[in-house]
Amino acid sequence: AQSVSQHNHHVILSEAASLELGCNYSYGGTVNLFWYVQYPGQHLQLLLKYFSGDPLVKGIKGFEAEFIKSKFSFNLRKPSVQWSDTAEYFCAVNAGMNTGFQKLVFGTGTRLLVSP
Amino acid sequence: DGGITQSPKYLFRKEGQNVTLSCEQNLNHDAMYWYRQDPGQGLRLIYYSQIVNDFQKGDIAEGYSVSREKKESFPLTVTSAQKNPTAFYLCASSTRTSSGGNEQFFGPGTRLTVL
Repeated sequence: AQSVSQHNHHVILSEAASLELGCNYSYGGTVNLFWYVQYPGQHLQLLLKYFSGDPLVKGIKGFEAEFIKSKFSFNLRKPSVQWSDTAEYFCAVNAGMNTGFQKLVFGTGTRLLVSP
Repeated sequence: DGGITQSPKYLFRKEGQNVTLSCEQNLNHDAMYWYRQDPGQGLRLIYYSQIVNDFQKGDIAEGYSVSREKKESFPLTVTSAQKNPTAFYLCASSTRTSSGGNEQFFGPGTRLTVL
């Protein structure tokens, strides 16, 4: 079965520090990859996604992620975090694409706390 | 203003009672999903529906039931058979394509507490 691993469960950073959150998946076929973010008290929302093409994808609020197929990884990065980036971040992989149905497999999430 | 609504935001029930969580979308999406979110476990798929009058079990369907009588509505019933129902429940929807490569849009969630 497909699985997604997020190795950092809690991350604490100071403002202006750089961020990298790890995401690894286990699926041998073609994948679509997503990062979702859940700000305190808000909906889960899409941060960025990779479907095909350039493996370096840029999302909202200065976030980017790089798909490295050989490493089965899709790490999320931001060069300089802000207090407003405090949130929980989820990596997700699209499984079952050939059936036309998009089943997302989520990682366990990483709670990021940015101190001012 | 398109989106997904879930009601209520907070729900309290006594043990042994069934409870139904509402999910409505006006995005004209074919597919809808129910997830359960628990601390440290991410989101786990309960049920999904690709089209009206059709739905399939997800990874943790035991103790839950759904219906899909209308395209815009996908209610979830948490039955008394669900052993650990206290959780945060998220509804989502997406378009349905042959490539399967579309993002899911999420509602605000319902926090269910069983006393």
